[in-house]
Amino acid sequence: QVQLVQSGAEVRKPGASVRISCKTSGYLFSSYYMNWVRQAPGQGLEWMGMINPSGGGTTYAQKFQGRVTMTRDTSTRTVYMELSSLRSEDTAAYYCARVLGGATPFYQHWGQGTLVTVSS
Amino acid sequence: EIVLTQSPGTLSLSPGERATLSCRASQTVSSNYLAWYQQKPGQPPRLLIYGASSRAPGIPDRFSGSGSGTDFTLTINRLEPEDFAVYFCQQYDTSPYTFGQGTKLEIK
Repeated sequence: QVQLVQSGAEVRKPGASVRISCKTSGYLFSSYYMNWVRQAPGQGLEWMGMINPSGGGTTYAQKFQGRVTMTRDTSTRTVYMELSSLRSEDTAAYYCARVLGGATPFYQHWGQGTLVTVSS
Repeated sequence: EIVLTQSPGTLSLSPGERATLSCRASQTVSSNYLAWYQQKPGQPPRLLIYGASSRAPGIPDRFSGSGSGTDFTLTINRLEPEDFAVYFCQQYDTSPYTFGQGTKLEIK
């Protein structure tokens, strides 16, 4: 079965960076885009961007352009999301989310979430 | 960007009743590229509906979606205790792919 297992919770100071991993199994890695969605405590969901695991091409939400980098390692079937210049408003649960099919960005499979806390 | 407004913010119903949740878009969502998710505390969202009306694999048929253009509805018939949760709509027509603010379905 499809599994997305994310790395553990992180605490960072303002201005720092954080990298979160999402290790996948149970499906053909290169065939499904992976997206990242975040959720601030008690708030709604926010799309951050997507990566094509096949070629590594990325599309980022304009809001995060210049601060976010999504990469993948095909040998370990893992995708990564790095967010830099962190501020308190970046405190959130970050989810990797796999599309149902191809590249169409709605999400059948989700990681368990990684809580990132930004605090001085 | 397309803004999705969900109503009501909170819906109080009893098991066995029907729930009707609304999602209104600030501009037309082409090709009915609209999805619905359910989220329970401490869990990631769960896909219920895509393409405005197609149920995701494994979703019971008491969940149904309808609508087009700017107005979409999620209907849950015969509410079960496990259906009480927060529901989000999402448009995936135009980047950035935006979500509504959510409707909390609570037990009356």
